[in-house]
Amino acid sequence: EAQVTQNPRYLITVTGKKLTVTCSQNMNHEYMSWYRQDPGLGLRQIYYSMNVEVTDKGDVPEGYKVSRKEKRNFPLILESPSPNQTSLYFCASSGQASAYEQYFGPGTRLTVT
Amino acid sequence: GQNIDQPTEMTATEGAIVQINCTYQTSGFNGLFWYQQHAGEAPTFLSYNVLDGLEEKGRFSSFLSRSKGYSYLLLKELQMKDSASYLCAVRDLNSGYALNFGKGTSLLVTP
Repeated sequence: EAQVTQNPRYLITVTGKKLTVTCSQNMNHEYMSWYRQDPGLGLRQIYYSMNVEVTDKGDVPEGYKVSRKEKRNFPLILESPSPNQTSLYFCASSGQASAYEQYFGPGTRLTVT
Repeated sequence: GQNIDQPTEMTATEGAIVQINCTYQTSGFNGLFWYQQHAGEAPTFLSYNVLDGLEEKGRFSSFLSRSKGYSYLLLKELQMKDSASYLCAVRDLNSGYALNFGKGTSLLVTP
């Protein structure tokens, strides 16, 4: 089944404790992206990747890192999480950047206390 | 940058037709998308417009006017399961093909 998977789905952590949210797709997609969704603000792009070893900042990259060592994986790293990073995070992928549909993962609900 | 506006909330009756509007401003327009999102779930793709005109897909249609920076999503024969948030998104080729989302329109379908 073609899908985008994220782990963990739910996470409660404390300020400053490094964490990684994994994202994997099995569709051989080139383009992958991370979003956060907050009430009243909608979906905002954090980072995106056009292909392996090619990443760039989105609208809200501060406090986040990403890597794209393999085509299928695009982990999101929070080196020192803070409470303002409490949010719902979505990973998405598409065949190419110009493709007409992005497939979203199920989301990761992160709470930083 | 982007400025994407859509109404915050709408209510409609089961079986009726509802139109959700979206206006945008962008420097590198490369397509307009509509997504549906049920509470707590991932957005799912509904439609894509890159040329002016109407795209029809079953009960859902989407219209685009690039000169006016305007789109709408039309939902016909509303069903209770259509209660969801509808997200308008514009792709900007000047920002690495980034997909920029509006804040979403929460649609409530009542019996």
